[in-house]
Amino acid sequence: AQSVTQPDIHITVSEGASLELRCNYSYGATPYLFWYVQSPGQGLQLLLKYFSGDTLVQGIKGFEAEFKRSQSSFNLRKPSVHWSDAAEYFCAVRGLGNEKLTFGTGTRLTIIP
Amino acid sequence: NAGVMQNPRHLVRRRGQEARLRCSPMKGHSHVYWYRQLPEEGLKFMVYLQKENIIDESGMPKERFSAEFPKEGPSILRIQQVVRGDSAAYFCASSPTARDTDTQYFGPGTRLTVL
Repeated sequence: AQSVTQPDIHITVSEGASLELRCNYSYGATPYLFWYVQSPGQGLQLLLKYFSGDTLVQGIKGFEAEFKRSQSSFNLRKPSVHWSDAAEYFCAVRGLGNEKLTFGTGTRLTIIP
Repeated sequence: NAGVMQNPRHLVRRRGQEARLRCSPMKGHSHVYWYRQLPEEGLKFMVYLQKENIIDESGMPKERFSAEFPKEGPSILRIQQVVRGDSAAYFCASSPTARDTDTQYFGPGTRLTVL
């Protein structure tokens, strides 16, 4: 069975500082990996996704993520956060031939001035 | 192109009543997925439907919950005889096909509160 672990429940960073959100997955083969962002009271918006090829993927809003097979990780990064990045971030995995997404429990990001 | 639409956005029911949640997928999308988000938790898959067919309902509770996606009209998630534990945000997502590389686009969710 596939699973996702987001070890950080809550992270606080200063505006302008760099950000890294951790995601570890468990899946028997190469997974399809996603990062979604959820603003309060809103639905989920796709930030980026990894299917194959280059292990460093670029997304919207200046985010990027790196797939590391040896560490079963897909960490999300941003070099300089903005106050508008405050939200909940979810990592998700989808297996080959499996339609459903399996989500982590999320990381809540707080930005301080 | 309008995104995935869900209504109502907020729904309040008393214990024992029925809740009906609606989802209109993006134009051209024929695959619909329902997920539930309990407070302080991530989203959990409930059911995957195509037009007039339930493809995977492995995440649906065995009782009181049902889903449909008719040939015409929105997908409906129905919860009968709601209990307090059903209070959650219910999200619908859609995709154009079921290819692994397809992105699932999410609606804004319906927040169900059971009194």
